[in-house]
Amino acid sequence: DQQVKQNSPSLSVQEGRISILNCDYTNSMFDYFLWYKKYPAEGPTFLISISSIKDKNEDGRFTVFLNKSAKHLSLHIVPSQPGDSAVYFCAAIPYSGTYKYIFGTGTRLKVLA
Amino acid sequence: KAGVTQTPRYLIKTRGQQVTLSCSPISGHRSVSWYQQTPGQGLQFLFEYFSETQRNKGNFPGRFSGRQFSNSRSEMNVSTLELGDSALYLCASSLDTTTHNEQFFGPGTRLTVL
Repeated sequence: DQQVKQNSPSLSVQEGRISILNCDYTNSMFDYFLWYKKYPAEGPTFLISISSIKDKNEDGRFTVFLNKSAKHLSLHIVPSQPGDSAVYFCAAIPYSGTYKYIFGTGTRLKVLA
Repeated sequence: KAGVTQTPRYLIKTRGQQVTLSCSPISGHRSVSWYQQTPGQGLQFLFEYFSETQRNKGNFPGRFSGRQFSNSRSEMNVSTLELGDSALYLCASSLDTTTHNEQFFGPGTRLTVL
């Protein structure tokens, strides 16, 4: 039972445009959400996070939006750069104090120069 | 500060064998988690250790086990390997506070079971 879903396995975007990566979850008790980026042959690296009490968090070119009523999370990258090409995973923390992250299946982003 | 290191990086085993993977967390990090990554399944949580104790466990069979040493280094063991165990095994470490500290991942161990 996949509690965190990334329904788009891949996405291609032109350099300079906006990249929007989506994530849906089924458990309304999830407490905290994170986005990780993964390059080939490397482990995932933390990108940005958001608490369930907020609906937006911004860090430079990266903004995460949380819509709790729709159980939907999105990551916006503006402007997209070729170096952003990677696999992006969203993750949810089921409750405070745990490191049992529940990850989505990932979306491969390709930014075209 | 050195990152999370995992050894070996690549491993080839045959069905029925057992394997031990090693993880050294970032200095000062006491929580170590293990994940299995397979195509189409994303990262699946295996277990988490803190102060040599398993604190959380995922939904994997008992063939998957782990332990943590007093220096926070961790090992995971898979016994009676099956073809479906072929995957990238990732270790992540974190400071243990009551806040939502992010986890820092190692590069992973690629296990191939023939």
